[in-house]
Amino acid sequence: AQSVTQPDIHITVSEGASLELRCNYSYGATPYLFWYVQSPGQGLQLLLKYFSGDTLVQGIKGFEAEFKRSQSSFNLRKPSVHWSDAAEYFCAVVGNNNDMRFGAGTRLTVKP
Amino acid sequence: DVKVTQSSRYLVKRTGEKVFLECVQDMDHENMFWYRQDPGLGLRLIYFSYDVKMKEKGDIPEGYSVSREKKERFSLILESASTNQTSMYLCASSLSRIGELFFGEGSRLTVL
Repeated sequence: AQSVTQPDIHITVSEGASLELRCNYSYGATPYLFWYVQSPGQGLQLLLKYFSGDTLVQGIKGFEAEFKRSQSSFNLRKPSVHWSDAAEYFCAVVGNNNDMRFGAGTRLTVKP
Repeated sequence: DVKVTQSSRYLVKRTGEKVFLECVQDMDHENMFWYRQDPGLGLRLIYFSYDVKMKEKGDIPEGYSVSREKKERFSLILESASTNQTSMYLCASSLSRIGELFFGEGSRLTVL
C-alpha cells in the first residue's frame, strides 16, 4: 500500500537560513506528489505539486521541491526562511484509489 | 476563490451524543473528503465521495458515517460520540480525483 514518511517531526531554523523538509513515499507507479502548509488554527493550503515532467517544481511563497525517483523522495526546500513560514508542513501522495494520503507532518519553528 | 466552509469551528459534546459536522463547498466540485487530524499521525482519511449519494470508506471509517444529499454538502456523522473521537476534523473538496484539495478551517471536537 502507498505511504508517505516525513522523518522529522519538528525542525527549528534561524530566520534567513535555508530549509529542507524531507519526504519519502512508497508507491508502485509514478506518483502524484504534493506539499501542503498549515498555519496555526487554519486548514491546509497547497504549496506545490508534482505530476510529471521537470523534477524540480516551484511553488508559492518561494518554496520548491525536487522529485527523485531513485530515492523515492520529494523534499521541500526554501533558500531563506522568514518568520511567517513557521507552520506545519505535510507531504502527500495520491494513492491507488485516487485518494490523497498524508505524512505525519513536520512542524517548523523559526528563531529570530 | 474556492471556499470550503465547516459550520462549527469548536464543539464540545458528551459521550454517547450524536454529532453532525457539516461541510459546504461553493465551487461545484465533484469530490469531497473528511479527514481526521491528530498530533503525530497527520491526516487520516475517514470517508470520501465522488458524487452525490455516493460514499467510500477511507482508512478509519469505524464509528463514523457520512451523507451527501447535495453536491455542495458533505456531512460527517458520529452516531454515538466517544472520547477517542476527540480530534480536529478537516473537510476538503477537489475538482479532479488527483488534483489539489481545498480545505476548510477545521472543526475541533472535544468529547467529554
